[in-house]
Amino acid sequence: DTAVSQTPKYLVTQMGNDKSIKCEQNLGHDTMYWYKQDSKKFLKIMFSYNNKELIINETVPNRFSPKSPDKAHLNLHINSLELGDSAVYFCASSQTLAAITDTQYFGPGTRLTVL
Amino acid sequence: AQSVTQLGSHVSVSEGALVLLRCNYSSSVPPYLFWYVQYPNQGLQLLLKYTTGATLVKGINGFEAEFKKSETSFHLTKPSAHMSDAAEYFCAVTQYSSASKIIFGSGTRLSIRP
Repeated sequence: DTAVSQTPKYLVTQMGNDKSIKCEQNLGHDTMYWYKQDSKKFLKIMFSYNNKELIINETVPNRFSPKSPDKAHLNLHINSLELGDSAVYFCASSQTLAAITDTQYFGPGTRLTVL
Repeated sequence: AQSVTQLGSHVSVSEGALVLLRCNYSSSVPPYLFWYVQYPNQGLQLLLKYTTGATLVKGINGFEAEFKKSETSFHLTKPSAHMSDAAEYFCAVTQYSSASKIIFGSGTRLSIRP
């Protein structure tokens, strides 16, 4: 019954590899997000999608490529992983784009460690 | 540009004591403010939010926050701390024109002493 789920929960990989994180929401929401939380707990938005359309791209390196095959899924693919990519990545969703009125629901996070 | 500053990266209180977590915002337009909580190894969960209207906002788990425009503050309080309140708390801000973009503070870790 998990509202927003992410896989994998943990991901350990070598520098230079390519990896993907998957996110699914079963809330029927139109909008999905990816956030990055660094080692100091600082949380920053990376992308948002609305009805499979990219809305926000926060100056994220183009090694990061989100893909939304349908409204319920937003996957994050990362090419040529670097040490600085180590973080916890959170997926979230909301009914619409309106952050003021629509609560964002977060997944449990994926802890990525790049060695 | 908008931002929020959370004063104190770590706050420790005794069980039953008042909880006060401080947040100040910076915004050139009327802000919309949030408090989120993150329990260990979990995602964030909305505690409460201020949009318009009453400046004292009540949230889940007995928390409340007051929007004070004159002080540009949105401090989070709870009259009596419970052990289960131990978590990371994030203040956040957005504005009407920012669509879905929420700016988060750096977080305050709340510890509860028995």
